[in-house]
Order: sequence, then structure tokens, then C-alpha cells
Amino acid sequence: QQPVQSPQAVILREGEDAVINCSSSKALYSVHWYRQKHGEAPVFLMILLKGGEQKGHEKISASFNEKKQQSSLYLTASQLSYSGTYFCGTEGTGYALNFGKGTSLLVTP
Amino acid sequence: IAGITQAPTSQILAAGRRMTLRCTQDMRHNAMYWYRQDLGLGLRLIHYSNTAGTTGKGEVPDGYSVSRANTDDFPLTLASAVPSQTSVYFCASSETSERNEQFFGPGTRLTVL
Repeated sequence: QQPVQSPQAVILREGEDAVINCSSSKALYSVHWYRQKHGEAPVFLMILLKGGEQKGHEKISASFNEKKQQSSLYLTASQLSYSGTYFCGTEGTGYALNFGKGTSLLVTP
Repeated sequence: IAGITQAPTSQILAAGRRMTLRCTQDMRHNAMYWYRQDLGLGLRLIHYSNTAGTTGKGEVPDGYSVSRANTDDFPLTLASAVPSQTSVYFCASSETSERNEQFFGPGTRLTVL
């Protein structure tokens, strides 16, 4: 069952902030975030786990509200390199991920 | 090889033909996945394997089959391709299935005419 992402698309100027949301109709134990640049494969950003633990490489912040079954990704002081499509993933059968439809982010100079 | 590779890079296929997309990883990851990506629909899980010798169905498994005879390889087979299977296919792997980073291959662009 795919999680729902919002907004579908956002355009920012460099330095502006954005929030991307991900919600699920079922209980969440973890939320995964990936970014995909045009013509490339998705790349891992972070995992947020129930209980507050986070695993990730990037200096990107995110929140995970277990009760509301929601997660938000915060992109602050955006850079041109942040452009791409962001996907959240939630656990399905056997821990495999179900991804949302994606949020397209364009950062302009 | 470093990481995860897929072959072919792209393919045009006549409807009704059989096709196997190859995926190989050299990271000794236990879990592997196949996704298809279509415009506006995001990434949809086709099949997965949590460890060699086991496979499971994802969100859109119909028309596809997989096998996991060893740790490194996870081929995806379309027994009789149909135009609706035109898509970009990504293979991914993770160290274990449980809440770990997935590494994606470069993708295979498949067109079924």
C-alpha cells in the first residue's frame, strides 16, 4: 500500500526552505527517504525508526510522528543540488518498501 | 564490479517475447528487490528476496517471475511481454531486509511494442 506524499511538486529559489510530507493509512515502524535526480537511480537519504532513531548520510532533517503515521522531510537553505524527486518508503510485506509517488523539487538560482 | 549492475541498459522488445533482466551485486547483500518506475506512479515493488533461496511478491507481481539461486544474482523474467510492461526497471539490494539502506542499480529501460 503506497504512502501518500505532498506536495506533488515544488519550485524554490536557492536559499529557501521546503517541507515534503509522507503519510500512511497503516501503522509505521519506519520511514525511508530517497532522492532521485533526473535520469539516475534513487539514492538513500535517511531512515527514521519508531522510537526516534535515525540512520542517514545527509545533513537533512526529518521528523516521524508514529501516532499520526506521518513523516516530514525538511530542506532548509536549499541548494541547486537539492533538485530532484524525493520518495518516501514504508514497510510492506517482509520489510520490502512501498514507495510514494514522489515529490518533484526544483531549486532555481 | 563495484556495487550493483543491471543488464541490458535498454531494450526494445516485441510483445509476446520472453525477456530476462539481469541484476548482480558484489556487496554480499542478503536482500534484493525489483521495482518498476512509471511516470506519475513512482517506484512500485515487483518482487523481493530477503535471502538466497527465498522470494516474495510485491505490489505488482503479475507477469513477472524471479529466482534467487545465489546471493549475488536476482534475475527478473517477463514470460510473455505486453506493452503495459514498458517501464524503467530498477534492481536494488540491502545488507539485510530489515530497515537498511537500499542501493539501486542504474536501471533498465524496457519498451514493449
